[in-house]
Amino acid sequence: SQKIEQNSEALNIQEGKTATLTCNYTNYSPAYLQWYRQDPGRGPVFLLLIRENEKEKRKERLKVTFDTTLKQSLFHITASQPADSATYLCALDMGIKAAGNKLTFGGGTRVLVKP
Amino acid sequence: GAGVSQSPRYKVAKRGQDVALRCDPISGHVSLFWYQQALGQGPEFLTYFQNEAQLDKSGLPSDRFFAERPEGSVSTLKIQRTQQEDSAVYLCASSLGSPRLPTRGYTFGSGTRLTVV
Repeated sequence: SQKIEQNSEALNIQEGKTATLTCNYTNYSPAYLQWYRQDPGRGPVFLLLIRENEKEKRKERLKVTFDTTLKQSLFHITASQPADSATYLCALDMGIKAAGNKLTFGGGTRVLVKP
Repeated sequence: GAGVSQSPRYKVAKRGQDVALRCDPISGHVSLFWYQQALGQGPEFLTYFQNEAQLDKSGLPSDRFFAERPEGSVSTLKIQRTQQEDSAVYLCASSLGSPRLPTRGYTFGSGTRLTVV
């Protein structure tokens, strides 16, 4: 069966450290993988997209890697700040391999950055 | 508008009542999606529109759920004869255009929290 797994336990991290989140999937062949941030009571906010032929993508303090052999993406927040505290969602996008380009989300990982 | 707007923000419905949830996407956005998010879970796909055409409704959980986007802009998700298991946050997302170039991701609204009592 198809599965997308993210750490279900909250990640507690000290301010200034690097937070690393994992997203593992089975029985999917995504064209793209997207990461979103979600704050309580709000909708997800797009952060980064990485294509299947890209190994790494960076945006400011964020870094995403994508290993299609391992079927895994890692999401890093460097020099973390309390304002980074939120739930982070990974989402698979099949691109033109599937009609509609719907996103299939993982369950999300909650990150708490302590000052 | 500047973002995706959803209304109402909160809706309490008695079991068996019909509800209608509205989504105003970003002006000019071709693609529109509805997702359902249970507490502590990731969003789950319900349905997808490209302009006024509903191209994918494979995620609608039952025939009590119906969505429309008659003029290719505002969309309404209707749930008939609501049940307690329908309680969730309903999210709407829109995207500028070609699904083949999703470099900007999707813009989500803040959602409608539906509670069926």
